[in-house]
Amino acid sequence: DAGITQSPRHKVTETGTPVTLRCHQTENHRYMYWYRQDPGHGLRLIHYSYGVKDTDKGEVSDGYSVSRSKTEDFLLTLESATSSQTSVYFCAISGESATDTQYFGPGTRLTVL
Amino acid sequence: AQKVTQAQTEISVVEKEDVTLDCVYETRDTTYYLFWYKQPPSGELVFLIRRNSFDEQNEISGRYSWNFQKSTSSFNFTITASQVVDSAVYFCALTSNNAGNMLTFGGGTRLMVKP
Repeated sequence: DAGITQSPRHKVTETGTPVTLRCHQTENHRYMYWYRQDPGHGLRLIHYSYGVKDTDKGEVSDGYSVSRSKTEDFLLTLESATSSQTSVYFCAISGESATDTQYFGPGTRLTVL
Repeated sequence: AQKVTQAQTEISVVEKEDVTLDCVYETRDTTYYLFWYKQPPSGELVFLIRRNSFDEQNEISGRYSWNFQKSTSSFNFTITASQVVDSAVYFCALTSNNAGNMLTFGGGTRLMVKP
């Protein structure tokens, strides 16, 4: 199994509060991704990173920001959480190419009340 | 734009039955990559297989087999002699060099294997 951890695994927060989710990898992979999974929508890409300090937007990036200051860590921040951001968030990693196989972390279940 | 369609939202079978999960994809690229992932009730996403567009050989791994047909843009997944532990949601996914670093997922098929 790829060495990917996510923290926290579960979080309940209130509307308007900032939230940061962390993804940590021990594989030294170049690419890291954040997805959200919602019923009826499958998995959708929020943001991704192709190197330290190199990030780009995905399909559903509004309301989210990311940072990658080290190869092993990729942070997802909800500046002001809304109920529509209640979801399961998955981090994924892949190797030197964006078409390499993506391996997923265990997921974080976020509930915004 | 790329698209992956898994028309079967839910399938229910009895243990030991064979079952095929359908995946149809759309892409304008000639070089692309197809994947299957499994999401068991515990929630994690488990990688099952990757197939390149230039390799149409079918793949067999134990009770699992995959049928890739470029002519029909399909990448179907068959489980032979299904078991209760096969109960999960299965996702088909697609990417290519021109996909903007995106992996496009189908909506998933929920497979329920009853004892």
